[in-house]
Amino acid sequence: DIQMTQSPSSLSASVGDRVTINCHASQDISNYLNWYQQKPGKAPSLLIYDISNLKTGVPSRFSGSGSGTDFTLTISSLQPEDIATYYCQQFDNLPLTFGGGTKVQIK
Amino acid sequence: QVQLQESGPGHVKPSETLSLTCTVSGGSIKSPDYYWGWIRQPPGKGLEWIGTVHYRGSTYYNPSLKNRVTLYIDTSKNQFSLKVSSVTAADTAVYYCARGEVVAAAGTSWFDPWGQGTLVLVSA
Repeated sequence: DIQMTQSPSSLSASVGDRVTINCHASQDISNYLNWYQQKPGKAPSLLIYDISNLKTGVPSRFSGSGSGTDFTLTISSLQPEDIATYYCQQFDNLPLTFGGGTKVQIK
Repeated sequence: QVQLQESGPGHVKPSETLSLTCTVSGGSIKSPDYYWGWIRQPPGKGLEWIGTVHYRGSTYYNPSLKNRVTLYIDTSKNQFSLKVSSVTAADTAVYYCARGEVVAAAGTSWFDPWGQGTLVLVSA
């Protein structure tokens, strides 16, 4: 199985801060990497697919980058509505696997 | 706009079989462009992919569930279903159904949209 490791597991930042979440795959997954946002008590929602493609309707302050084994989700200017847990997911190989999540809070 | 809704018992006894159904509305389950999947999340923990089914009959399962999982698809009802046999407390989780896109290697995808999820508690 491909292991997905996210860091940090949690972070606290101020409104307007630039926030970066990292995701490391245990082997090369090319561009087969997605990001999800899960707000408290809600189902996950797709944010970004194929490393950097924003789902329609997702604010442009979200962006994704990376290749191979190391990937990054960036929120350019943190907003109160971005409070959530973020998960990466690889789809290079079965079984599909998710990172452990990064909980983002407002300082 | 496609919507998914999980349904099924919220409580199952150990060693019994967990059965859930996902009803798809706003779109046909008989699309060659989509998979239909299940993902679960134990309370306070992360996400685990359970399995994925295509309306043409292809199924893909997470080996971690050790052959306890079966997925079904009922195109006449626009539903797909999950069965997990011989459940234990470790199967307590919120179970989500979701739609995947046929984009890469067989069975692989991102998931969008997701159902709201249903909590299944395994206890005596």
